[in-house]
Amino acid sequence: DGGITQSPKYLFRKEGQNVTLSCEQNLNHDAMYWYRQDPGQGLRLIYYSQIVNDFQKGDIAEGYSVSREKKESFPLTVTSAQKNPTAFYLCASSMYHNTEAFFGQGTRLTVV
Amino acid sequence: EDKVVQSPLSLVVHEGDTVTLNCSYEVTNFRSLLWYKQEKKAPTFLFMLTSSGIEKKSGRLSSILDKKELFSILNITATQTGDSAVYLCAVDGSSGGSNYKLTFGKGTLLTVNP
Repeated sequence: DGGITQSPKYLFRKEGQNVTLSCEQNLNHDAMYWYRQDPGQGLRLIYYSQIVNDFQKGDIAEGYSVSREKKESFPLTVTSAQKNPTAFYLCASSMYHNTEAFFGQGTRLTVV
Repeated sequence: EDKVVQSPLSLVVHEGDTVTLNCSYEVTNFRSLLWYKQEKKAPTFLFMLTSSGIEKKSGRLSSILDKKELFSILNITATQTGDSAVYLCAVDGSSGGSNYKLTFGKGTLLTVNP
């Protein structure tokens, strides 16, 4: 089945550790995105990528890093520089960057 | 700064009621407005609106955009318990080229009671 897969669904990490969230899509979409969702808040864009080997910062990129070595994959690393990393992270993809996006099931990251 | 405001933030209705969710926006460059339904985790796409006054319809859901007044509404008729979700409005304010800017509202939490 075509879709976007995020893993893991739940992740616990100690403060000060880097952690990488996985996002894979088999929809043959060019564009991929990472959003962060906090309780009672809308989605905020962390990073996006329109093509392989290229990505752009979103509104809240500080403390995060990404790579786009393959069209299907867009992993997000939450670094120790991110001051408040506990949140729900959503990955999405779209055919082009101005068409509707399809979302993964999300990863809930808790830093203790 | 682009802004998307949804109202109400939460709403409780009974099955069979009709609801109207609102989304107003202020963006520098408008390309489209999108509605998503988020039940538990992944938002699912409902509508994309680009032109004023043209209603988009899918079953009991419909949506319309007013680009002059800068708002959109999402209507749900004959609500069912399965309509309970957070409804997200987002505006694509990308200015072309490699720029991408999709701004989300905080969402409306709809609860439909039997």
